[in-house]
Amino acid sequence: SQQGEEDPQALSIQEGENATMNCSYKTSINNLQWYRQNSGRGLVHLILIRSNEREKHSGRLRVTLDTSKKSSSLLITASRAADTASYFCATDKGSARQLTFGSGTQLTVLP
Amino acid sequence: DAGVIQSPRHEVTEMGQEVTLRCKPISGHNSLFWYRQTMMRGLELLIYFNNNVPIDDSGMPEDRFSAKMPNASFSTLKIQPSEPRDSAVYFCASTLQGRVYEQYFGPGTRLTVT
Repeated sequence: SQQGEEDPQALSIQEGENATMNCSYKTSINNLQWYRQNSGRGLVHLILIRSNEREKHSGRLRVTLDTSKKSSSLLITASRAADTASYFCATDKGSARQLTFGSGTQLTVLP
Repeated sequence: DAGVIQSPRHEVTEMGQEVTLRCKPISGHNSLFWYRQTMMRGLELLIYFNNNVPIDDSGMPEDRFSAKMPNASFSTLKIQPSEPRDSAVYFCASTLQGRVYEQYFGPGTRLTVT
């Protein structure tokens, strides 16, 4: 099974609203990152949070990390139709030089 | 920079045929990853290379799958013989070795095996 599991699997909101997606993982990690995938395209790296960080901001993105609960959340504020995409969390752990991706949240922002 | 380049973008083939997917990583990147994405299994790592050397191929599903990286600017993923269950989108990603967390993905190859 995958290291990361996102919820919800699908989220539909109105433009201007905030979108929150959650990710849970099973084992200790070095870093957690979020990627976006537009339909028919490859994944694009959005933001990284290290295991010793609790919160990070980048533009309209806010990521939190709770290592005690092995969970992270991605908040997109003031959403736009262009934010419509699938969002994946990915973790790397230990000495592994690879990422493990979650199952993704499909976000739809309605104009 | 053109980003990671994959070809072909779409491939339709009949069961039993050989399929070769190609990837050109970003110039200067020395780690390359092959992934497969399906609705059922999500995004799975198949194999990755550091400095053209395969490091971990434990994700390669069967002996029908093989990957090579003859030089720093080119990699192939071959399926022989192909089967309908191999239908998926195959992504190549590259990064600088040690920066595993910031991978740059290509647009993918959508493979359909009939």
